[in-house]
Amino acid sequence: DAMVIQNPRYQVTQFGKPVTLSCSQTLNHNVMYWYQQKSSQAPKLLFHYYDKDFNNEADTPDNFQSRRPNTSFCFLDIRSPGLGDAAMYLCATSRTGAKNIQYFGAGTRLSVL
Amino acid sequence: AQSVTQLGSHVSVSEGALVLLRCNYSSSVPPYLFWYVQYPNQGLQLLLKYTSAATLVKGINGFEAEFKKSETSFHLTKPSAHMSDAAEYFCAVSAYGQNFVFGPGTRLSVLP
Repeated sequence: DAMVIQNPRYQVTQFGKPVTLSCSQTLNHNVMYWYQQKSSQAPKLLFHYYDKDFNNEADTPDNFQSRRPNTSFCFLDIRSPGLGDAAMYLCATSRTGAKNIQYFGAGTRLSVL
Repeated sequence: AQSVTQLGSHVSVSEGALVLLRCNYSSSVPPYLFWYVQYPNQGLQLLLKYTSAATLVKGINGFEAEFKKSETSFHLTKPSAHMSDAAEYFCAVSAYGQNFVFGPGTRLSVLP
């Protein structure tokens, strides 16, 4: 009964080849987040959706884009992956008024060859 | 602005010993505080949270934490470590309308 589901769990792509990571949720939460986590580091927020409103962090590279076609799904698109984009990508959700508690998926580990 | 520090990037304890992971925060508004655990190649799992109710918070797997406003601390403890507790632990601070700020993490090793 996983609540935040990320697919795939492991993704291998080639340098410069676009890749899309997927996140879905069964919690009906209105806020969804994408984080990048590199080895032995804390998660770094890339952007989040508050309902349909997209909020980009100031230092998120233009190479990273996101789509949220409905409440349940959110996608992370990396237009031209570089070697430095190899990382764990975490999706999280929360609900407005619920004390900001975030629920995380299991993550997608991206390798760039 | 908010910030979190975690003293000790790596903590080792013997099985059965007390676990103490330190977290100090800075926040200009009343904070929400969280501890998350991350096992290898997994996402973050919520251990416990402080959201302005009781200052002593009990979480899953026998962990607890105490919010001390005067010390701006939210240290995580467990009376007796188990091998399965070996993982990375992240403290995070937030507030109403604010995103999370994560600490750098503490890797806990449990020695047999």
